[in-house]
Amino acid sequence: DADVTQTPRNRITKTGKRIMLECSQTKGHDRMYWYRQDPGLGLRLIYYSFDVKDINKGEISDGYSVSRQAQAKFSLSLESAIPNQTALYFCATSRGDREVYEQYFGPGTRLTVT
Amino acid sequence: EDKVVQSPLSLVVHEGDTVTLNCSYEVTNFRSLLWYKQEKKAPTFLFMLTSSGIEKKSGRLSSILDKKELFSILNITATQTGDSAIYLCAVNNFNKFYFGSGTKLNVKP
Repeated sequence: DADVTQTPRNRITKTGKRIMLECSQTKGHDRMYWYRQDPGLGLRLIYYSFDVKDINKGEISDGYSVSRQAQAKFSLSLESAIPNQTALYFCATSRGDREVYEQYFGPGTRLTVT
Repeated sequence: EDKVVQSPLSLVVHEGDTVTLNCSYEVTNFRSLLWYKQEKKAPTFLFMLTSSGIEKKSGRLSSILDKKELFSILNITATQTGDSAIYLCAVNNFNKFYFGSGTKLNVKP
C-alpha cells in the first residue's frame, strides 16, 4: 500500500462549489504539506502543518483552507472553487526533527474547475 | 525573498547524450538541496545534498552542491528515453521546501 494517499485522484467541479481534497499517510511523519502544480511553475506551497495544532500558510493560501484531523490526515478545502484553481494538487510529508529529510509525495489530485 | 531558479526550462537531447541541469538558490537558513524526478505523477526523490563539493551518485545520475556560489548541478550521462521527465530542484530551510519551476527533459531515440 502507498505510504501517502490522496483522494479523489481526479475531480471535475463547477465554479462556486465547495470541494475537499484528502490526504492520509502511514509514514508516521509529523509534517504535512499541500502544494499545487501548474505547468511551468513548479510546486507552490499552499499550507503546511508541523503537528495537529500547528498549521501555517504557504505562499498561495488565499482561497484555500486546511484541517489537520490527526497526525496522519491533512485535508485541503476550496470554499468556493474558481477556474484558476484548476491544477494538480500534491500532498507531501516529511519527518520533523533536527536532522534533514526529504519529502514524500502522494500521487496527486487533478482538479478541474469549470 | 526566498527563491529557487532552474535552467534550462526545457531540453531536448538524443539517447546517449550527457546533460547538465542547473539549480541556483537564494534561501535563508539553508539546510539541504534536493533533486526529484517527476514523470507522469508524483515527484520521486533522487538526491539530497547538504555539503559543498561532495558528489552524490546513483548509476548514470550524479549531483553536486556549491554552497558558496549557491547552486547545484544534476548530471545525467548516457541518457535513455526513460530519463524523459521533469526534474525538480528544491531547497529546504527549517520550515519549508522551496521548489524551482523544473527542467523538462525530453530524450529522443
